[in-house]
Amino acid sequence: GAGVSQTPSNKVTEKGKYVELRCDPISGHTALYWYRQSLGQGPEFLIYFQGTGAADDSGLPNDRFFAVRPEGSVSTLKIQRTERGDSAVYLCASSPGSNEQFFGPGTRLTVL
Amino acid sequence: KQEVTQIPAALSVPEGENLVLNCSFTDSAIYNLQWFRQDPGKGLTSLLLIQSSQREQTSGRLNASLDKSSGRSTLYIAASQPGDSATYLCAVRDGQNFVFGPGTRLSVLP
Repeated sequence: GAGVSQTPSNKVTEKGKYVELRCDPISGHTALYWYRQSLGQGPEFLIYFQGTGAADDSGLPNDRFFAVRPEGSVSTLKIQRTERGDSAVYLCASSPGSNEQFFGPGTRLTVL
Repeated sequence: KQEVTQIPAALSVPEGENLVLNCSFTDSAIYNLQWFRQDPGKGLTSLLLIQSSQREQTSGRLNASLDKSSGRSTLYIAASQPGDSATYLCAVRDGQNFVFGPGTRLSVLP
């Protein structure tokens, strides 16, 4: 069956611009996670959804970052006024409960 | 705050060797621990999931053990192959979310 998909695979933007990153989880998975991974490091937790609601958003670095999951399936991570330090690979994972996670290929964001 | 470390940071071995990767975590109150593989420029592939009540899990040439009280897990890879070359990450489920280690970069030389 289809795995987790993320679009776009690459995004290059200029400092100060707004970006949206999309995640399509595995069908039926109620939990969805967003992570950020910098070069040479492990993924860093950003936000966790259970259904439509954000169960834990403690990892969002500041109020420029926001994520939604309006129908409990697809999720969008939104970054306002991007900064060069936001450059990273953004990973999405889904899970049938809160157990084993299945990851997408990631979106590589480059802020010039 | 949960912290996860992995030793070694990098490892290079000749093909056919058995090897052990280590993962340590500071807070033993975890729900589970998961080992992943990451190829360059790719997402993470789940290898093994160990629940907090379990001691080990096996899949093919991979065996992962968990000693929750001491805050340690090991991933054992038997008869390594060049195709095993990748970064291996461990993650512990701590409350609602998962905390990852920085990974061990493995190179298996033909």
